Amino acid sequence: GQNIDQPTEMTATEGAIVQINCTYQTSGFNGLFWYQQHAGEAPTFLSYNVLDGLEEKGRFSSFLSRSKGYSYLLLKELQMKDSASYLCAVRDGDYKLSFGAGTTVTVRA
Amino acid sequence: NAGVTQTPKFQVLKTGQSMTLQCAQDMNHEYMSWYRQDPGMGLRLIHYSVGAGITDQGEVPNGYNVSRSTTEDFPLRLLSAAPSQTSVYFCASSSGEGTEKLFFGSGTQLSVL
Repeated sequence: GQNIDQPTEMTATEGAIVQINCTYQTSGFNGLFWYQQHAGEAPTFLSYNVLDGLEEKGRFSSFLSRSKGYSYLLLKELQMKDSASYLCAVRDGDYKLSFGAGTTVTVRA
Repeated sequence: NAGVTQTPKFQVLKTGQSMTLQCAQDMNHEYMSWYRQDPGMGLRLIHYSVGAGITDQGEVPNGYNVSRSTTEDFPLRLLSAAPSQTSVYFCASSSGEGTEKLFFGSGTQLSVL
């Protein structure tokens, strides 16, 4: 099984940068995903890492260190619409995806 | 392109009642799964399927049944609803290959009284 930990809540100011950390323990790591979920909506895909290093996609970047069982999601130039829950998910083997409890990010003006 | 269609959006059941949550996808995805989401616990995998005729249990399968007679459909059956099954349920699918991400349905808010 999986043990995926991420902070429960984070607050930041519009225009700032926020980093959401995720640590995991798994027997058969096969990729790490980040999803965004606005209140009352379904999760939507943000990023994917399977090799060590940084993946950049516009204002969002995701980093992975497999040896440390660690990832982070970096949100830059925060906007009000970025207020949401951010879910770290680890794939074990070919298909199964296990999720962390999610980090609720609140962006304040 | 509809993606993943999940029905109903809301449902209220009495303890002991049975019902089926419907899930259909039109992307020819082999992999389909059901999650429940509870406050503070994140998404937990109930059952999943890697193709028609193949299903397997996830993290929290008790009280739920699934079947996969076609590639498109993956219904979730609650056999005898209990208050502990009050949750938001999401169906998700993917091609199951490499970096392919999950596509989620819009969710079902289920309350069991």
